[in-house]
Amino acid sequence: KAGVTQTPRYLIKTRGQQVTLSCSPISGHRSVSWYQQTPGQGLQFLFEYFSETQRNKGNFPGRFSGRQFSNSRSEMNVSTLELGDSALYLCASSTGASGNTIYFGEGSWLTVV
Amino acid sequence: AQTVTQSQPEMSVQEAETVTLSCTYDTSESDYYLFWYKQPPSRQMILVIRQEAYKQQNATENRFSVNFQKAAKSFSLKISDSQLGDAAMYFCAYPNSGGSNYKLTFGKGTLLTVNP
Repeated sequence: KAGVTQTPRYLIKTRGQQVTLSCSPISGHRSVSWYQQTPGQGLQFLFEYFSETQRNKGNFPGRFSGRQFSNSRSEMNVSTLELGDSALYLCASSTGASGNTIYFGEGSWLTVV
Repeated sequence: AQTVTQSQPEMSVQEAETVTLSCTYDTSESDYYLFWYKQPPSRQMILVIRQEAYKQQNATENRFSVNFQKAAKSFSLKISDSQLGDAAMYFCAYPNSGGSNYKLTFGKGTLLTVNP
């Protein structure tokens, strides 16, 4: 059974540009959530989608957005990139039911220069 | 708002010895889950163990076990017979939103070093 797949794994962008990260959840999982990890702020929740609907959103500016497709794959987009957006972005999937295990992908490393 | 606190930024243990990582949390809910995740240098988050708050029995997974004290809101992780491969950052996590697991709040993490 394939795990959570994130693409691209590494990318470098320039300030002001935008970026799109992709996440394919484990087959059968309908919940996909995104986290940002930085040395200073640790792991912070960005948002979560379930059956194409955003169920929960963290405290991030509107430049951070996401969506989920009918096949449960998800994308997150960051517009007008800032240096502080440099981070590891982790995608996680689960069935969405309470208490079920959340599985993480290997992450996408974003560097903004 | 729920918070998760890991008071030990770094810990070290000798190979084959036992180490305990601490975690406390704050919640007003009565039914919830708690998780410990491991993040090795590859940076992939790997679930180590989970505890259901309504269960009295502490969870165990091979060499990993927890000491869950619900009244004290404490959830420590014990690693027995430590191995070099256990070296990683360990995160305690609490799922918000009424017990639903789709939004995790993480502690700051504890970096575990295993000495040969």
